[in-house]
Amino acid sequence: AQSVSQHNHHVILSEAASLELGCNYSYGGTVNLFWYVQYPGQHLQLLLKYFSGDPLVKGIKGFEAEFIKSKFSFNLRKPSVQWSDTAEYFCAVNAQNAGNMLTFGGGTRLMVKP
Amino acid sequence: DTGVSQDPRHKITKRGQNVTFRCDPISEHNRLYWYRQTLGQGPEFLTYFQNEAQLEKSRLLSDRFSAERPKGSFSTLEIQRTEQGDSAMYLCASSSGRGGSNQPQHFGDGTRLSIL
Repeated sequence: AQSVSQHNHHVILSEAASLELGCNYSYGGTVNLFWYVQYPGQHLQLLLKYFSGDPLVKGIKGFEAEFIKSKFSFNLRKPSVQWSDTAEYFCAVNAQNAGNMLTFGGGTRLMVKP
Repeated sequence: DTGVSQDPRHKITKRGQNVTFRCDPISEHNRLYWYRQTLGQGPEFLTYFQNEAQLEKSRLLSDRFSAERPKGSFSTLEIQRTEQGDSAMYLCASSSGRGGSNQPQHFGDGTRLSIL
């Protein structure tokens, strides 16, 4: 069974600071990896995804994530955050060829101070 | 793209009552998923359908939980004899069936269930 860990539960940054949110998963096979964001009062939205190929993937709003297979990690980054990035961020995986269920991490709540 | 629609947005009921939630997926999506999210946690997978077939239901939390998608369009999730621990946000998602498991899932706003 897959599991996902997000080690930072709460992060507080000032505007223009750089962001890195950690995500580690455990699964022995090939996985698809996702980052979702949930802005206050809104539904979960896809930020970016990795299926194969270039391990550095770029998503919406200037976010990117790097898949490091040897570390079972898929950390989310943004060089300069904005107040509007205040949200909760979820990392998720599904195992290729093993059903379509997404396994989510516990989420990281990001607050950006103006 | 009208998005995934869930109804109701909020449901308050007394312990022991039955509740039913509805999900309307994005129209061209043939896969539909149910998740539960409790406070401070990420969503937890419950079940999923491809068209009208329920392909995975072993993660439903107990035999009080059931889901249907009779015509391969909208779906319902029913909880019988509700308990305090059922209080949570119930999320529905849908995805295209093309391309296997790497199609991203699109989520609705959820139904928040509160058990008195």
